[in-house]
Amino acid sequence: EAGVAQSPRYKIIEKRQSVAFWCNPISGHATLYWYQQILGQGPKLLIQFQNNGVVDDSQLPKDRFSAERLKGVDSTLKIQPAKLEDSAVYLCASSLDRGQETQYFGPGTRLLVL
Amino acid sequence: AQKVTQAQTEISVVEKEDVTLDCVYETRDTTYYLFWYKQPPSGELVFLIRRNSFDEQNEISGRYSWNFQKSTSSFNFTITASQVVDSAVYFCALSDRGLGGGNKLTFGTGTQLKVEL
Repeated sequence: EAGVAQSPRYKIIEKRQSVAFWCNPISGHATLYWYQQILGQGPKLLIQFQNNGVVDDSQLPKDRFSAERLKGVDSTLKIQPAKLEDSAVYLCASSLDRGQETQYFGPGTRLLVL
Repeated sequence: AQKVTQAQTEISVVEKEDVTLDCVYETRDTTYYLFWYKQPPSGELVFLIRRNSFDEQNEISGRYSWNFQKSTSSFNFTITASQVVDSAVYFCALSDRGLGGGNKLTFGTGTQLKVEL
């Protein structure tokens, strides 16, 4: 069974530029999550989707971050404009459902904002 | 508020030593789940175990074992006869009913384990 796929794996941009990350969850998983992991810290949830609807985006900085999951499968996370403090690893995870199911993570996208 | 504390920032051991990684959590929920994940240098979080709050039986899987004690709110992880390939950052996490009934993981800050020859 294929795992969670993410691209790109690495991205370097300058502040005020925009960037987008893509995630393809495990087949059949209804719930998709985006986490931000700053160096030396544990991941922090940014947004959770159930199919194509948002369940929790309370910690998403909505002035600059946006995310969508239009067809209930793939998802895109965008940052516009990026700030220096957005440098982090962005992890995508998926689970069968939104109950307290196990979340399986992708390899992440390492973002460096200069 | 949910909180997970991993007081050990970094642990170094010599191969074949046993090592225990500590995890203490706080929650007001009566039903919750606890997890351990491994993050090797490649960056991917690898799922190791899930435990629900009603099951306090210890679990063993090969060289890995977990000790869940509800009375002390701890969920410790022991690696027996450690190997170099065990070198990674290990995260303990607590599953919380987030907004909208979602499933939000609250992670600790992680413990960096270094196993040397």
